[in-house]
Amino acid sequence: DAGVIQSPRHEVTEMGQEVTLRCKPISGHDYLFWYRQTMMRGLELLIYFNNNVPIDDSGMPEDRFSAKMPNASFSTLKIQPSEPRDSAVYFCASSLVGQEAFFGQGTRLTVV
Amino acid sequence: KQEVTQIPAALSVPEGENLVLNCSFTDSAIYNLQWFRQDPGKGLTSLLLIQSSQREQTSGRLNASLDKSSGRSTLYIAASQPGDSATYLCAVVNDYKLSFGAGTTVTVRA
Repeated sequence: DAGVIQSPRHEVTEMGQEVTLRCKPISGHDYLFWYRQTMMRGLELLIYFNNNVPIDDSGMPEDRFSAKMPNASFSTLKIQPSEPRDSAVYFCASSLVGQEAFFGQGTRLTVV
Repeated sequence: KQEVTQIPAALSVPEGENLVLNCSFTDSAIYNLQWFRQDPGKGLTSLLLIQSSQREQTSGRLNASLDKSSGRSTLYIAASQPGDSATYLCAVVNDYKLSFGAGTTVTVRA
């Protein structure tokens, strides 16, 4: 397996624009997680899914953030409208229950 | 809410010295604990997973211990090499969610 695949790797956008981050988990994994990493706050869990169903979205900072998992092989994290404080590295991870979590290479988002 | 602390925040050692990285957590009702490595500008690479029923796990030069009752885990890296320079992150799993410490940044001097 190629591991967890995220796209794009880098995104630069203007404040107010919509941003969509994409993730393809490892085939067969039933948990998918979205994390955000900043220097100030470290790694924060935004939302996670089990079998494509959102289980806990308490980490989503505001209504401007939304996430979907339409099928077992694809998830999106959308920010609309984007703000400069959303600039961070966004990671997607997947796992089987009770097993190792594997992370993608991340998307570095810069909102100017 | 689970709080994970890693001490020290940074560590610099000469090549060949053994590394000891500490992780503590507040809620001992964990499912498992995972150690990761992160190189600058890169993603997280899984190093070791310890299930809550285990006391330790080994992989090559790496050994991780877990003491659930005291809320501690330690990662030992034997005979450090310059290639071990990276940030090491501890993650604790409760309710299927990983909670991360801030990491220990390790520099191994040649």
